[in-house]
Amino acid sequence: DAEITQSPRHKITETGRQVTLACHQTWNHNNMFWYRQDLGHGLRLIHYSYGVQDTNKGEVSDGYSVSRSNTEDLPLTLESAASSQTSVYFCASSDGRRGPINEQFFGPGTRLTVL
Amino acid sequence: AQSVTQLDSQVPVFEEAPVELRCNYSSSVSVYLFWYVQYPNQGLQLLLKYLSGSTLVKGINGFEAEFNKSQTSFHLRKPSVHISDTAEYFCAVSSGYSGGGADGLTFGKGTHLIIQP
Repeated sequence: DAEITQSPRHKITETGRQVTLACHQTWNHNNMFWYRQDLGHGLRLIHYSYGVQDTNKGEVSDGYSVSRSNTEDLPLTLESAASSQTSVYFCASSDGRRGPINEQFFGPGTRLTVL
Repeated sequence: AQSVTQLDSQVPVFEEAPVELRCNYSSSVSVYLFWYVQYPNQGLQLLLKYLSGSTLVKGINGFEAEFNKSQTSFHLRKPSVHISDTAEYFCAVSSGYSGGGADGLTFGKGTHLIIQP
């Protein structure tokens, strides 16, 4: 079955370190998204991609970057981790070719703690 | 710009009672509306969506929602809840296509549904 996976599921790092969170989907979806979830804020969009070599900034993109070298993967990099980036991170994908809006499928999440 | 307001952060309900989770949105363009559910320590799962057509939308697990354009609302309802419905519920809005692909979703802050035996 097609799926979307994230790794690692849990990560503890120190302030100032570079961290990369992986997202891999086997749906062959062209759209991929990264969100962060914080208590009292719901989910907020960090970055998104419409296809290979395409990336776009979301609502809370400062301090984060993404790259899309193939259809399946959209890694999220924290260039210099800060305590404010302690959060749960969700990756999602959707098939934008099948109509104006299609369901986004979410991964299980990565819990990141920055000490 | 678009936004979503979920009016209740927490809703306690007795088992087998009806429930309504409220959602209001604001947008300057046509919108597509969604309800997602998040069970403890899991990702989000789509409950239902409104794209066009009938304003009453039925979803999985017995949930339904009604799109009301004049009230800019998309409230979620279930006539009889079960213990297994205990979860976080998120309302979300999208304005659709931008630059050739689907926009990311704008989420509300979530409503924690607590089912009491």
